[in-house]
Parts: sequence; C-alpha cells; structure tokens
Amino acid sequence: KAGVTQTPRYLIKTRGQQVTLSCSPISGHRSVSWYQQTPGQGLQFLFEYFSETQRNKGNFPGRFSGRQFSNSRSEMNVSTLELGDSALYLCASSLGGAVSGANVLTFGAGSRLTVL
Amino acid sequence: LAKTTQPISMDSYEGQEVNITCSHNNIATNDYITWYQQFPSQGPRFIIQGYKTKVTNEVASLFIPADRKSSTLSLPRVSLSDTAVYYCLVEGAGSYQLTFGKGTKLSVIP
Repeated sequence: KAGVTQTPRYLIKTRGQQVTLSCSPISGHRSVSWYQQTPGQGLQFLFEYFSETQRNKGNFPGRFSGRQFSNSRSEMNVSTLELGDSALYLCASSLGGAVSGANVLTFGAGSRLTVL
Repeated sequence: LAKTTQPISMDSYEGQEVNITCSHNNIATNDYITWYQQFPSQGPRFIIQGYKTKVTNEVASLFIPADRKSSTLSLPRVSLSDTAVYYCLVEGAGSYQLTFGKGTKLSVIP
C-alpha cells in the first residue's frame, strides 16, 4: 500500500513569506501529526490532527498552523517565515491518535524548507 | 521535559551485536516504548514496540525490565546499512505531545 506522501520535497522561501506543506496519510489512517527537525533541536512535535480536529499541540508560536480535510489529508502553514524556520518538516500518520502510546507512526520523507 | 535519555552516539564493528539503552525514569503505567530508526534526509521508520518483558521481531529485540524505567534495543549482527540515528519514544494516553529525545547516532565500522 502507498506510504505517507509529503509535498513539496524541497522548497526555498525568503523571510516574511509564508509556506504551505501537504501530507497525504496512509489510506485508512485518521491521525496526522507534524514535526520539525533541525540539527540543533532534534525532532520536535508541532501538532496532531485526528478526524479534522486538532487534538494536541507542541510548543510552537501561532505562526505555525495546520488543518486536516475530510479525506484525512493535512496541510501545515507557516506564516511570516524566519531564518530559524529552515528545517525538515515531517508528517506521520497512524490509525489511532499519535499521542496514545500503542499506535505506530508511519512517517513521510519530509519537506526540506530553506528560508533565505 | 524530556522523558527519555539515550547515549548521543555509539560505534560498532560490522557483525557485532549492538545494544542501545534508553532511560525513562518517569514512565507512566499506560506508556508504551517504541523505537524508530532514521537515515539522513528520511523520516523515522518504526523498528519495534513493547510494554514489558521482551519483544522480538525480524530486525531487533526489545528488553524491558520489570520496573520499566529503562529499555534496551538490541540489533543482532549489525551491518553498514544499520548506520543511522535511533530514537526511543515513550508516550501514552494522557500525554499532550510526543517527545522525541536527541536519539543515538550509531556508526557501523567495516
């Protein structure tokens, strides 16, 4: 079966711009969670959506937002980009909620964002 | 607040067994322990998950002592392709976010 698909894989933006990243989960998975990965901070949880509702949120400013559609596809948006937003953005899908212990996360390959 | 502590890096020769230990002193009753493997520029990949005692699959074993305050991922006979970062994740119902630690960078030497 198809895995988790993230688009675009690479993108370059300038400070002040905004960006939208897309994530298509594995068919049947209702949870999509998003992560930011940087060399300095490691893998950090952004938020999780389950059945179109944001269920959990990490410690990121309001510039980071997301949404989930009825087909479980999810998008995340970062507004007013800063240099420090340069990172690999990963999404993961799971059958049940991501933050519920026993569920296994399947990650996409990520979207590499560079902010100039 | 980090829930897990792992060694930052480990080196091993090809063909050896590698054990990576993760400390999770504040593990809750309903927390599961899950290990992921990540190669450069890829998303993490699930390796193994357990709750207590020992779990084994085709690629690894997971040992969890009775007090569950630590766990050990065991990779038998590693090869160069096992060079990656390994993350231990401890989460359960009641958490509000997933907390990945810094991971352990395993380097397999020929």
